[in-house]
Amino acid sequence: GENVEQHPSTLSVQEGDSAVIKCTYSDSASNYFPWYKQELGKRPQLIIDIRSNVGEKKDQRIAVTLNKTAKHFSLHITETQPEDSAVYFCAARRGGSYIPTFGRGTSLIVHP
Amino acid sequence: DAGVIQSPRHEVTEMGQEVTLRCKPISGHNSLFWYRQTMMRGLELLIYFNNNVPIDDSGMPEDRFSAKMPNASFSTLKIQPSEPRDSAVYFCATLAGVNTGELFFGEGSRLTVL
Repeated sequence: GENVEQHPSTLSVQEGDSAVIKCTYSDSASNYFPWYKQELGKRPQLIIDIRSNVGEKKDQRIAVTLNKTAKHFSLHITETQPEDSAVYFCAARRGGSYIPTFGRGTSLIVHP
Repeated sequence: DAGVIQSPRHEVTEMGQEVTLRCKPISGHNSLFWYRQTMMRGLELLIYFNNNVPIDDSGMPEDRFSAKMPNASFSTLKIQPSEPRDSAVYFCATLAGVNTGELFFGEGSRLTVL
């Protein structure tokens, strides 16, 4: 089955810096890659996703890049703010499947 | 729509007691998932249903865990008997269809077994 590795497990940055979280996946048939943000005590919520026919996608301060050949994808957050502090999960899902496989999560801490 | 609704939000119980967690999915969403979240193991998929039918329960830890979806608007996850190692946050999530992407999570049920 699919295996998703996520790094780092913890990331600490100063407000205004950029943050990058990286994930690798094992199943070459995976074609959908969502990112979820989970604030403390809250539920995970989708913040951005990318499909395998696209190499990069941006939404304001966040962007996701995908390298299908290397089977890795990354989340980039620019101009970080304290409210970006949360746990971020990447996931991968193969075509025709209902089930995403999640990474272990990255705890992002943005210091004011 | 009010989103995915879970109850109870918090449950504290003693070892050996039966625990029932409930989920009301978003209307029209055909797939429903139960996840367990712990610091040690992250987000684990326990079971998922498609059109009320259990499709994959390979993540259910053992026979003490059972899940049902008697109709399109209700699902339960039951633990009997509960053990301290079952303490976790249990999330219910739904998906509109295989061609859509976003999983909609409920607020979770935080279970503590003493």
